[in-house]
Formats: sequence, structure tokens, C-alpha cells
Amino acid sequence: DIQMTQSPSSLSASVGDRVTITCRASQNIGSYLNWYHQKPGKAPKLLIYAVTDLESGVPTRFSGGGSGTVFTLTINSLQPDDFATYYCQQSYTIPQTFGQGTRVEIK
Amino acid sequence: QVQLQESGPGLVKPSETLSLTCTVSGGSINYYFWTWVRQPQGKRLEWIGNIYYSGSTKFNPSLKSRLTMSVDTSKNQIYLNLTSVTAADTALYFCTRAKGSSGLDIWGQGTMVTVSS
Repeated sequence: DIQMTQSPSSLSASVGDRVTITCRASQNIGSYLNWYHQKPGKAPKLLIYAVTDLESGVPTRFSGGGSGTVFTLTINSLQPDDFATYYCQQSYTIPQTFGQGTRVEIK
Repeated sequence: QVQLQESGPGLVKPSETLSLTCTVSGGSINYYFWTWVRQPQGKRLEWIGNIYYSGSTKFNPSLKSRLTMSVDTSKNQIYLNLTSVTAADTALYFCTRAKGSSGLDIWGQGTMVTVSS
């Protein structure tokens, strides 16, 4: 299985901060990388697919980048609604796998 | 808009079969992949497998020997069966819609399944 490793595992930030989360794949996954966030007791929500494509309705303060094995999710000007756990997912091969999550907390 | 609702028993005994149903409303299941994902408490998401509306399936190799999935297009429902369950199968189970290989764009609210005698 392809291992997905996120860093950091958690971070504290303030409203208005710029936040970057990194996701590393154990092998090349091309552009088959997606990002979600999840709030407690809720289902994950797709934010970005295919590395850089913003899902419909997702604010433009979210952006993705990278290729191959290293990918990033950046949130510009963090908003109160953004405090959640973020997951990356590779959809390159079966089984599709997720990162362990990055918890974004309020400082 | 399209909504997904998982249903099934919240408690399953060890060695028995876990059976879940996902009901799709507000749209058709045709021409999409439908994926089951689970999340043990405090752990990362685990991809269980997917099924195309035509019935073709792809499973996580770690679960393949115990797993079946099916669809009923007339009822707009997707089914999951996992046999010989153990405590390790205790998790929140989500039904999702896949945009091909471009992520899981619609999720059900999830249904909690506990394996315990």
C-alpha cells in the first residue's frame, strides 16, 4: 500500500494566519492527490482534488500544490470555520489511502 | 442535491456479518462509483472499496476475502457486507460518491458499527 504521511500532525494558528500542511506519499502518485477537512462528529468534506482543483463551493483561500510525492495544502487567511482536521488521500492506486490527519486548532 | 444515508445495525457480534445499506436520494446512482470508507475512533480514514453502478467492484486487499458489495439501481441503493467481523471492524462507516479518481465529493453522515458480544 502507498503510505501517506502528513506534517505537522497538529498546529495552532490564529484567525487570519496563513497555514501550510504537507503530505508525502511513499511512491510517485502523479496528480492523484485530494484534500479533505473534517469537523468533529461530521463527515469529511472534499476541498481540493487532483492536487490543485478547487471543489465547487470551496473558498478560494484554499489552494493545493505539489507533484509526484510531495504535496501541500495552503489556507490563506484562516477563518473560524477552518478549524478542523485535514486529510490527504491518494487515488492513484488500490487501495486508496489517507494521511493520518493534521489537526488545526485555535491559538 | 444528492444525499447519501447509511443504515444498518449499530451492534454486531464477533464472527457475524456486518450488513450496511446506503440510500441515494436527489439523484441517480447511474454512471458513478460508490465508495465505502470507515474510520475507527481517533484513527485515520480507511478506504474499504468501491462499486460502479454496473456492479463491478474494487476492494481493499486487506478486506477482500470478507467483503461483498452490490447495487440495486431500481432502489437507488448500495450494499456492503463484511463477514467474520472482529473488534477491529468497529468504526464509523461512510458511504461516499467518487468523482472517478478525483476525490470523494459527497458523503453520508456515517453510521457507527460496534463489534461486541
